[in-house]
This record gives sequence, structure tokens and C-alpha cells, in this order.
Amino acid sequence: NAGVTQTPKFRVLKTGQSMTLLCAQDMNHEYMYWYRQDPGMGLRLIHYSVGEGTTAKGEVPDGYNVSRLKKQNFLLGLESAAPSQTSVYFCASSQREEGGELFFGEGSRLTVL
Amino acid sequence: GQNIDQPTEMTATEGAIVQINCTYQTSGFNGLFWYQQHAGEAPTFLSYNVLDGLEEKGRFSSFLSRSKGYSYLLLKELQMKDSASYLCAVRAYGNNRLAFGKGNQVVVIP
Repeated sequence: NAGVTQTPKFRVLKTGQSMTLLCAQDMNHEYMYWYRQDPGMGLRLIHYSVGEGTTAKGEVPDGYNVSRLKKQNFLLGLESAAPSQTSVYFCASSQREEGGELFFGEGSRLTVL
Repeated sequence: GQNIDQPTEMTATEGAIVQINCTYQTSGFNGLFWYQQHAGEAPTFLSYNVLDGLEEKGRFSSFLSRSKGYSYLLLKELQMKDSASYLCAVRAYGNNRLAFGKGNQVVVIP
């Protein structure tokens, strides 16, 4: 019973490098989200998707791109990493109905040097 | 937009009761969630309130007052494993997203 799986769990990048975080969910959820969590800032929404083929900007989208080509996968890309993107990234998914809770992945810790 | 406020940290003794407050300002309120997050782990769902009143789930209860923009999470019979951050999150109508507060760190001591 995997739920929401994120890869990789840890990554160290140099400034200017690119990378992609992969999120996969096996619960057939419509909605998927990418959050970042920084000390003292709480969880902040980067991008989200309400269905396959759709994406939308969240609270802090700059410097990130996303794609949802398949319903079960939501990719977060950093085209040119910056030290300010050092953070813990959480993917989450939820069902469509009212009160649908978010199920989170285990998180991906990214360090940009 | 949504503005969510939570106190940052509190310490409580094993076996005691602790209340964690959350105040929010949002247009078109459509539900409030509480999550628990242990250090280095993902948040996990605790409770959901959309109507005024108290929801009880074992040792945890959550209360909502929509007119006051206020919720609290009550943790009873505290255990050491309850040491965690507790996150309040609000959803607005027509909005598929949850806006999270900064979280309240609860430290349980023997």
C-alpha cells in the first residue's frame, strides 16, 4: 500500500543545475500538489493540478515548473537551481470530494550549494 | 487570500491536556484541517471541521467557530509520542488548495 511516493529523497545540487522531483500516487486521486517547507515558514504551495494534463500556480511558483502527463504522476522541475530553493519538498494528493484530506509523500530534501 | 495564525511552541507534561489554537481570515471558508507532523516526517491527517462545534476522535478533539474564525485542537492524556508539530490548514470555496499555518510545536516532557 504505497500511497504517495517521492523520488529522490535527498539531493545536493550546485547553483544553476537542473533536476526533476517525481511524485507518484496509487490512490487514483484527481488532485496533486507540490509544497515546500522551510523553518518558520510552514508549508507553502508551489504548483498544483486538478487532473491529468492540467497544472496551476500556487503561492510560490517562481523558479519551478510542473507537468501532469499521467494521472498518477506529478513532476516538479527546477530549471536553474538557486540556494533559495534549498528546502524540503512535499508532494500530496487528494480526492475530489468536499473534505477530502491531503495524503503526503515522505518528502524530498534538496540542498543547493 | 488566507491568513492563518498559530502560536509557535508549547511544552506540556505527559498525561496532561493541551489546547492548540488557530485563528484564520479567509473569504468563502470551506473547511479546516488539522495535521500532525513529527520531525523529519510527512504531515498526517488528524481531523476535519466544516460546521461549528466539536469533533472528537479518541484522545484528539477539534473545535470550530466560523463566526470567530477560530479553531482549536485538544490533545488529552498526552503521551511522549505526541511531541510533534501541529498544523492548521484552511480551504476556501472554489479553491482546491489548502493554506497552512506555520504550525505549533508541542513538546511533551515526563
